Amino acid sequence: DVKVTQSSRYLVKRTGEKVFLECVQDMDHENMFWYRQDPGLGLRLIYFSYDVKMKEKGDIPEGYSVSREKKERFSLILESASTNQTSMYLCASSTSWTGKNTEAFFGQGTRLTVV
Amino acid sequence: SQQGEEDPQALSIQEGENATMNCSYKTSINNLQWYRQNSGRGLVHLILIRSNEREKHSGRLRVTLDTSKKSSSLLITASRAADTASYFCATDGANDYKLSFGAGTTVTVRA
Repeated sequence: DVKVTQSSRYLVKRTGEKVFLECVQDMDHENMFWYRQDPGLGLRLIYFSYDVKMKEKGDIPEGYSVSREKKERFSLILESASTNQTSMYLCASSTSWTGKNTEAFFGQGTRLTVV
Repeated sequence: SQQGEEDPQALSIQEGENATMNCSYKTSINNLQWYRQNSGRGLVHLILIRSNEREKHSGRLRVTLDTSKKSSSLLITASRAADTASYFCATDGANDYKLSFGAGTTVTVRA
């Protein structure tokens, strides 16, 4: 079974802190994604990566950065946490077939509260 | 902005009834996927339909895709209490791997 593991289930951080959210997948997937989920807004894509050291901005990249030094690990960084970044963060991974995405596998999510 | 938009936002049905939800999207796609999310958990993949397919079935699920209208529907037949969840459609662009989700439809199945 594919496993996508997010480092923390719940996290509380202070305003202005630098926050690292880690995601690891064990199926050698090329593509990895970071989303945030807020009530009524669904999932919004922050960043995605289709290869090691490659990254692409999603729809709401402001205030975030990412790192993908190894294929299995995709990190989301909040450079200076703010209260409006309080949210559920979801990581996902997928492989590609004939240049197209296949099904994505999700982690259980990290509920981040910034106080 | 989000690529997919689900309709309705919420749906309440009796056990045994069918549930239908729709998804509209804006730009050309490679494929369209449907996911389910139970409360407080990660998303689980249900079904993928490619842009050259019109209909797909998986158990009690039936998905249609109309690329001319840029829309898809998900039908759950003979619903059960365990189908209570939020359902999301997701699309990826014709030229990249960006996977975009809509806001979802919350389905409640009453016993």
